[in-house]
Amino acid sequence: DTGVSQDPRHKITKRGQNVTFRCDPISEHNRLYWYRQTLGQGPEFLTYFQNEAQLEKSRLLSDRFSAERPKGSFSTLEIQRTEQGDSAMYLCASSLKYRLAPYNEQFFGPGTRLTVL
Amino acid sequence: KNEVEQSPQNLTAQEGEFITINCSYSVGISALHWLQQHPGGGIVSLFMLSSGKKKHGRLIATINIQEKHSSLHITASHPRDSAVYICAGLNYGGSQGNLIFGKGTKLSVKP
Repeated sequence: DTGVSQDPRHKITKRGQNVTFRCDPISEHNRLYWYRQTLGQGPEFLTYFQNEAQLEKSRLLSDRFSAERPKGSFSTLEIQRTEQGDSAMYLCASSLKYRLAPYNEQFFGPGTRLTVL
Repeated sequence: KNEVEQSPQNLTAQEGEFITINCSYSVGISALHWLQQHPGGGIVSLFMLSSGKKKHGRLIATINIQEKHSSLHITASHPRDSAVYICAGLNYGGSQGNLIFGKGTKLSVKP
């Protein structure tokens, strides 16, 4: 399967614990995005990378959240001291951005569903 | 008011009906995605368009940049089309980093 993959697919944790999610993008894609989706809502942007550089972060990304893409391939999203309000689906997407292209189509992974008890 | 609004929020149709889902946006965008999300969460990109019209099988997407409006049409609907359909604007500007999503339209097609 050459699509975007995410691991784990489901995570249940207790409030106050730290969790880490992984996203593997489509191999030649240089951009990687993280989104969060709560029940009944559309996804919301969290952050994105171009290669290993984190180019943009939403104000939704509090200091308990950190994302990395150390080698410009896979990415991790860590949430420290989880709260019940962090319960959501965390979606990863990737795209290939050509320098002269006006826009680039994003391809989504299956998501990681986080439940904080 | 959301920057990307979809209507209707919920839609029930009989198999074979022609379906239209509408999307209006109030922000500047460089392109618009139509996405399909099935129960369980996985999102599939259906179309990305910045002008005019695109067709893929029974799906047609149109966009009017001046009116800031896009529509997704499904011809000869089938129960397997049941899903949430989401429109998302690609944020206009230098970074083009993120999509701004509507809340989705939940479509249920009855046999």
